[in-house]
Amino acid sequence: GDSVTQMEGPVTLSEEAFLTINCTYTATGYPSLFWYVQYPGEGLQLLLKATKADDKGSNKGFEATYRKETTSFHLEKGSVQVSDSAVYFCALSDPGGTSYGKLTFGQGTILTVHP
Amino acid sequence: GAVVSQHPSWVICKSGTSVKIECRSLDFQATTMFWYRQFPKQSLMLMATSNEGSKATYEQGVEKDKFLINHASLTLSTLTVTSAHPEDSSFYICSARGDRIYEQYFGPGTRLTVT
Repeated sequence: GDSVTQMEGPVTLSEEAFLTINCTYTATGYPSLFWYVQYPGEGLQLLLKATKADDKGSNKGFEATYRKETTSFHLEKGSVQVSDSAVYFCALSDPGGTSYGKLTFGQGTILTVHP
Repeated sequence: GAVVSQHPSWVICKSGTSVKIECRSLDFQATTMFWYRQFPKQSLMLMATSNEGSKATYEQGVEKDKFLINHASLTLSTLTVTSAHPEDSSFYICSARGDRIYEQYFGPGTRLTVT
């Protein structure tokens, strides 16, 4: 079945540091890939997405490129801020599966950014 | 963006009782709603998918008689945990999807503690 593997956290960085959170996936079809962010006390919010190979999703300074050859969708940001502290989830939606639009999530990575 | 609410945000109940959790889409019609369960420091696990006016589709291993899901309108779905036990204590999250198939909007979650 489909699965998503994220790098283990927690990740602790100083403000303005470079961020990478690795994500790899296994899917039977041609999935769409997502990064969701969960701020303390809030629901998950879609951060960015990519629907086909070589697409780059970007939002709020975060980027991720859909790499089919390495089955990866790593999240990057050039300069993190304290306000980026949150839990980040990588996810996929495999339209080839029986549950159309169903999301499969990675385990989440806790990011803490210090001033 | 679209808003999804959950009520209550937290609930404590005694073992053997039933608890109902509501999920509402506030500003759009949710043709499909999803219910997830999240254990501490773990990922979201999809429990079931419900389409308005239809019976819910449960994921393998989820007891449909224990976790009753009703999606009676385009803005409301409910999850009832029947005869709750301490092992049902968890964070329950709903999401809703409207006409944009790959976009799911998440509620803030409900913390259930069974004593």
